[in-house]
Amino acid sequence: GENVEQHPSTLSVQEGDSAVIKCTYSDSASNYFPWYKQELGKGPQLIIDIRSNVGEKKDQRIAVTLNKTAKHFSLHITETQPEDSAVYFCAASKGSNSGYALNFGKGTSLLVTP
Amino acid sequence: SQTIHQWPATLVQPVGSPLSLECTVEGTSNPNLYWYRQAAGRGLQLLFYSVGIGQISSEVPQNLSASRPQDRQFILSSKKLLLSDSGFYLCAWNRLGNEQFFGPGTRLTVL
Repeated sequence: GENVEQHPSTLSVQEGDSAVIKCTYSDSASNYFPWYKQELGKGPQLIIDIRSNVGEKKDQRIAVTLNKTAKHFSLHITETQPEDSAVYFCAASKGSNSGYALNFGKGTSLLVTP
Repeated sequence: SQTIHQWPATLVQPVGSPLSLECTVEGTSNPNLYWYRQAAGRGLQLLFYSVGIGQISSEVPQNLSASRPQDRQFILSSKKLLLSDSGFYLCAWNRLGNEQFFGPGTRLTVL
């Protein structure tokens, strides 16, 4: 099955700096790669996603890049703010072939210090 | 707009007792539904998914089961809970695409 690796497990940055989280996946049939933000005691919230026919996608301070050849994708957060502190998860999906089920990385705990 | 509900929000159960967690989705029809478990400090593990009423796919063998008695209702059950069943249980849905949306979760503690 699909195996998603995520690094680092913890990340501490100063407010205003950039944060980068990286993920790799094993199944070349995966074609959808979302990123979720989870605050303590809450369900994960989708913040950005990318499909396999796109190399990069940006939404304000958040961007995701995908390298299909290397099977890795990354989340970039610029101008970080304390409210960006949370656990971030990457995931991969093979779409309708697997009922759109997601395989998640183990998460990155991001701390943004003022 | 679509909303997803889970209850209860928290649950403390003794080992060996039964379990029933409920998830319902509003504002859509024929969604795909999912149950995930999140152990403390860990990622999300897919337990079950359903693409229609009565259709359940199991991803991980365990003492849990799932049922979908109605289009927008997904239930997670166990006949006898184990200590290892403790965790944060999340229900999610999607429809006509990949975007998956999560409910608020149920915190289960088995003592």
